[in-house]
Amino acid sequence: GQQVMQIPQYQHVQEGEDFTTYCNSSTTLSNIQWYKQRPGGHPVFLIQLVKSGEVKKQKRLTFQFGEAKKNSSLHITATQTTDVGTYFCADDQTGANNLFFGTGTRLTVIP
Amino acid sequence: DAGVIQSPRHEVTEMGQEVTLRCKPISGHDYLFWYRQTMMRGLELLIYFNNNVPIDDSGMPEDRFSAKMPNASFSTLKIQPSEPRDSAVYFCASSFGDTIYFGEGSWLTVV
Repeated sequence: GQQVMQIPQYQHVQEGEDFTTYCNSSTTLSNIQWYKQRPGGHPVFLIQLVKSGEVKKQKRLTFQFGEAKKNSSLHITATQTTDVGTYFCADDQTGANNLFFGTGTRLTVIP
Repeated sequence: DAGVIQSPRHEVTEMGQEVTLRCKPISGHDYLFWYRQTMMRGLELLIYFNNNVPIDDSGMPEDRFSAKMPNASFSTLKIQPSEPRDSAVYFCASSFGDTIYFGEGSWLTVV
């Protein structure tokens, strides 16, 4: 079956440092979505990538979809304490938002 | 809109008891999803509905789990009888288009 792995599983950074999480799939990804979940909270939609090689930016966040559509990345520039949480990628195989979530990367930002 | 509303927010129950989790999706959304989150298994899709009709329940772990959506504004997830391994956070989510909105979750502990 499909496996969507994220690396690293955990990341501790000093405030102001950059952070990147990688999402890798054993099968070709259809549409990739990224979510953020704060500790004790619920997943919140960040963005969707559809096209091969697509790059999207949201302020300090940069999202990239691999050329072969088997991987994706989220990069945060100059982390802030508000960036703390777990970041998930999710594959929307059926196009009906029937999401298969990755394992997540838990980010801790040290002030 | 108030977002996806789930109840109860927290429940502690004894093994063998019936548990019913409730969800009110965002008005106008045509998809409703039930997810379960645990440390071991991450975020798993249990079942989803389109226009109140169950589309895919392959994620429902056992016959002890059942879900219904009698109308567009209400869904339930029932576990009977409950077991300690059912302890998890259960999220309901709804969507219309690309973005999924999660509720705040129901934290279930079965002792």
